[in-house]
Amino acid sequence: QQQVKQSPQSLIVQKGGISIINCAYENTAFDYFPWYQQFPGKGPALLIAIRPDVSEKKEGRFTISFNKSAKQFSLHIMDSQPGDSATYFCAAIGGAQKLVFGQGTRLTINP
Amino acid sequence: NAGVTQTPKFRILKIGQSMTLQCAQDMNHNYMYWYRQDPGMGLKLIYYSVGAGITDKGEVPNGYNVSRSTTEDFPLRLELAAPSQTSVYFCASSLGGPNEKLFFGSGTQLSVL
Repeated sequence: QQQVKQSPQSLIVQKGGISIINCAYENTAFDYFPWYQQFPGKGPALLIAIRPDVSEKKEGRFTISFNKSAKQFSLHIMDSQPGDSATYFCAAIGGAQKLVFGQGTRLTINP
Repeated sequence: NAGVTQTPKFRILKIGQSMTLQCAQDMNHNYMYWYRQDPGMGLKLIYYSVGAGITDKGEVPNGYNVSRSTTEDFPLRLELAAPSQTSVYFCASSLGGPNEKLFFGSGTQLSVL
């Protein structure tokens, strides 16, 4: 079974700090790596995504860093705000595989 | 534009009962999916459809059935509910495949007692 391993399971960051969530994968055929954000009582929503032809993608305060050789990718949230408090899921897909989600990280930003 | 609409939002079933979770999308998306979300386990794909009349199993299909008679609707059927099916269920859709943006509904919280 193809997996994506996500860490940490939960994370507490002070307002204004940097939040970092990490994911590791096994299947080298994966070629699309999205991050989804989920608020309580809501469905996940696409936050940002990257393909392995670039090592970094930035959208506002959110950045994905991608290390193809290490088979790892991470989400960085700069200047973290209380409104960023949510559960974050990394995911991966490629080849004949279906979209696989990580286990999720519950992020809390303290004011 | 409603997006992906799921009903009901909450449901309690007794062991052995059956029910259908409804899902509808108004974006004319070809692909539709059903996921279940359990604490600390991420989202697991139950079934998916690439278009009307075409469905296929995902990672955890046992105990569930689906149909896709129209582009808009993708109901999930639970037969003989079991406590292991207690979960939050999400329907999603995408225009192309899963390597494009998925649009999720707000979920159905199901308890089987």
